[in-house]
Amino acid sequence: QVQLQQSGPGLVKPSQTLSLTCAISGDSVSSNSAAWNWIRQSPSRGLEWLGRTYYRSKWYNDYAVSVKSRININPDTSKNQFSLQMNSVTPEDTAVYYCARERWELRGAFDIWGHGTMVTVSS
Amino acid sequence: DIQMTQSPSTLSASVGDRVTITCRASQSISSWLAWYQQKPGKAPNLLIYKASSLESGVPSRFSGSGSGTEFTLTISSLQPDDFATYYCQQHNSYPVTFGQGTRLDIK
Repeated sequence: QVQLQQSGPGLVKPSQTLSLTCAISGDSVSSNSAAWNWIRQSPSRGLEWLGRTYYRSKWYNDYAVSVKSRININPDTSKNQFSLQMNSVTPEDTAVYYCARERWELRGAFDIWGHGTMVTVSS
Repeated sequence: DIQMTQSPSTLSASVGDRVTITCRASQSISSWLAWYQQKPGKAPNLLIYKASSLESGVPSRFSGSGSGTEFTLTISSLQPDDFATYYCQQHNSYPVTFGQGTRLDIK
């Protein structure tokens, strides 16, 4: 049974860096048949895909244009997890952040989600 | 980006009712449309992908149809556990995008 366990702070100051981690059990971050995504949800923006990382003989990343200049999604094979870093945050980045698995045959749909982390950007 | 529009925004129904939710895409997405159910304080749960493929473990009272730009999610006989918010999502191209949600309330 695949599970995703999220961790990271719930409060970040404006202009600082948001950092979240998603630990994977029951699958591998290096799997050739999955991709590992970050998605956020807020009342103002709804559900918004942020980016993904995946391994197909080498590592790839895709990012949403809206946040591309500010984010990095990195795999950590030694701990079987992946992370989100978003810099220069503003109150508009306040949201519930989810990590999610994309089984490759689903081609962009997400079958396993983390429990979500409420992140508030405030001084 | 492809815009996804759901209707209605809110739907009131009773246990045993048949309900339909519609999702429209701003351009053709072939059959690459997914549906999720979300309950308060929980992550979305995948119900259907590729317009009509039922995810493993999802009850057969859920079904999806459509192609191109217009899609529907049907719940054949509402159960108490089905009162939740439903989202569509296009998974034809990145960035994947979601509809704004349809809240299904008890009448």
